[in-house]
Amino acid sequence: DARVTQTPRHKVTEMGQEVTMRCQPILGHNTVFWYRQTMMQGLELLAYFRNRAPLDDSGMPKDRFSAEMPDATLATLKIQPSEPRDSAVYFCASGLVRQGLSNQPQHFGDGTRLSIL
Amino acid sequence: QQQVKQSPQSLIVQKGGISIINCAYENTAFDYFPWYQQFPGKGPALLIAIRPDVSEKKEGRFTISFNKSAKQFSLHIMDSQPGDSATYFCAANNTPDFKGGSEKLVFGKGTKLTVNP
Repeated sequence: DARVTQTPRHKVTEMGQEVTMRCQPILGHNTVFWYRQTMMQGLELLAYFRNRAPLDDSGMPKDRFSAEMPDATLATLKIQPSEPRDSAVYFCASGLVRQGLSNQPQHFGDGTRLSIL
Repeated sequence: QQQVKQSPQSLIVQKGGISIINCAYENTAFDYFPWYQQFPGKGPALLIAIRPDVSEKKEGRFTISFNKSAKQFSLHIMDSQPGDSATYFCAANNTPDFKGGSEKLVFGKGTKLTVNP
């Protein structure tokens, strides 16, 4: 059963440190999404890529967050410097988007639980 | 106009009862309405979805009811079971095609469902 893999599953670090979260999308999927989940805000879309090109990062604080897809099998989300308010669960999801193909589900990983002290 | 409003925030139902979660949207361009189910420690997973050309879709014990004129849709879980205890998210988007649209899903804030044995 194909799955989206996220690492690490948990990360605890001190304020000011760099945090890198990784995502391996499902093979063959051409779209990758990064979400942040908190109790207050629910699921927020941070950024997404299609065919490795960034399409929208309007949900991301640009001064400290960056998202990249070095290759089709790896997406990364970096926070530098991290702050306590960044504490949340970060999800990666992948999907297949193609003209003429009806809506396909987004497949989520199990998330990275980030705690910034 | 991009919001999807979901209610209630939490719901407690007895085993065998009917769970009902409601969502409302403003953007009349939305044409795809999925529901995602999330268990603790896991990412959301697609449960069931509907397009506005039908008023109801049923899959097993799960039914989506859709009211296009009211811009509302709801999830009904019949014969609710303790294993249904999870957080449920409604979502919506405007299917991307040559006229526009986006694969971005707009999520509701979620409903935490507890089914008591």
